[in-house]
Amino acid sequence: AQSVTQLGSHVSVSEGALVLLRCNYSSSVPPYLFWYVQYPNQGLQLLLKYTSAATLVKGINGFEAEFKKSETSFHLTKPSAHMSDAAEYFCAVSFTGANSKLTFGKGITLSVRP
Amino acid sequence: DVKVTQSSRYLVKRTGEKVFLECVQDMDHENMFWYRQDPGLGLRLIYFSYDVKMKEKGDIPEGYSVSREKKERFSLILESASTNQTSMYLCASSFGGARETQYFGPGTRLLVL
Repeated sequence: AQSVTQLGSHVSVSEGALVLLRCNYSSSVPPYLFWYVQYPNQGLQLLLKYTSAATLVKGINGFEAEFKKSETSFHLTKPSAHMSDAAEYFCAVSFTGANSKLTFGKGITLSVRP
Repeated sequence: DVKVTQSSRYLVKRTGEKVFLECVQDMDHENMFWYRQDPGLGLRLIYFSYDVKMKEKGDIPEGYSVSREKKERFSLILESASTNQTSMYLCASSFGGARETQYFGPGTRLLVL
């Protein structure tokens, strides 16, 4: 069975600091990996996704993530946090044959301090 | 831009009432999904549909049913609402295929009293 682990429920950084949100997956077949963001009172929107092409994936708003098969990880990073990055972030996994079904992690809330 | 709309942003219902949540997408997507979102639990899949009149149970289908009579519309039905169904409900749609992006609606926050 596929699963996603997001350690911790809350991360707080200062404005301008590095953002690192961790995601580890478990999958018996090659995975497709996604990061979604949810701003307050909104639905989720895609930040970026890995679909077996380049292992370093760039997304919107300056975020990127690197697929590391040996570490079963897909951590999300941004070099310099902005106040507008405060939101909840979800990592999700899918795989061929899943008919587009996603398995989500529990989410991490990012706070950005002035 | 893809647009997924949900019939209500906020809903208050009484225990035992029948509740309909509707979702409409405008991108001719084959797949549609209903999730519930609870603090600390992330998103959990209730039901999904990969074609008109087709449905499959997700991880937590108990107490829910769905209907997809037209490609663009996917309804979630709570046959007899209970307090433990108080939650945020999110609808999503996508093209077929595991690498496809799911597009989400704004959510319906349901309170069952």
